[in-house]
Amino acid sequence: EVQLVESGGGLVQPGGSLRLSCAASGFTFSSYWMHWVRQAPGKGLVWVSRINSDGSSTSYADSVKGRFTISRDNAKNTLYLQMNSLRAEDTAVYYCARESLPENAFDIWGQGTMVTVSS
Amino acid sequence: DIQLTQSPSFLSASVGDRVTITCRASQGISSYLAWYQQKPGKAPKLLIYAASTLQSGVPSRFSGSGSGTEFTLTISSLQPEDFATYYCQQLNSYPITFGQGTRLEIK
Repeated sequence: EVQLVESGGGLVQPGGSLRLSCAASGFTFSSYWMHWVRQAPGKGLVWVSRINSDGSSTSYADSVKGRFTISRDNAKNTLYLQMNSLRAEDTAVYYCARESLPENAFDIWGQGTMVTVSS
Repeated sequence: DIQLTQSPSFLSASVGDRVTITCRASQGISSYLAWYQQKPGKAPKLLIYAASTLQSGVPSRFSGSGSGTEFTLTISSLQPEDFATYYCQQLNSYPITFGQGTRLEIK
């Protein structure tokens, strides 16, 4: 079964750090671009970051640039999001998603992991 | 950044109704538009990509159309399981953006 499973969320104080993981299975992980998308409680979807298939190219939303780092380990079939200098406004459910090519859409999503930034 | 504006933001309809949701882009995005359905507490699910192509396994009562700056998602005959929130997404350029969502509720 094709699936993505996130982990690593939790409660962290403002200014703190957290690393999210997304374990992929059921498909050739190293062939796909991967993304992180977040959703604050009761709000809409917001794209956070993207990494290409071999990890050589990344993109970020302005709101997280310089604080978050996306990476991947294709040998472990795992995507990561290192989040530093966390703020209250980073509180959200974080989803990892696979981008299907050439369809250009997010066809597989994880179940999400909740990150709460609060003192 | 490309802004996507969905209308309406809220829609109340009955089982069997035909409904249409519109997504307008602030600049042309060719056909790089996708539609997602999200139910409470669940991850989004891909319905339509490339503006009008139905994702495998999605019922044929869902359809998409449009190109450039105006797009529509139509559900031809609402079923009970269709009551959810719908989002459009543009993948023409970074940052990738989503519409604000359309919440579809039972009348």
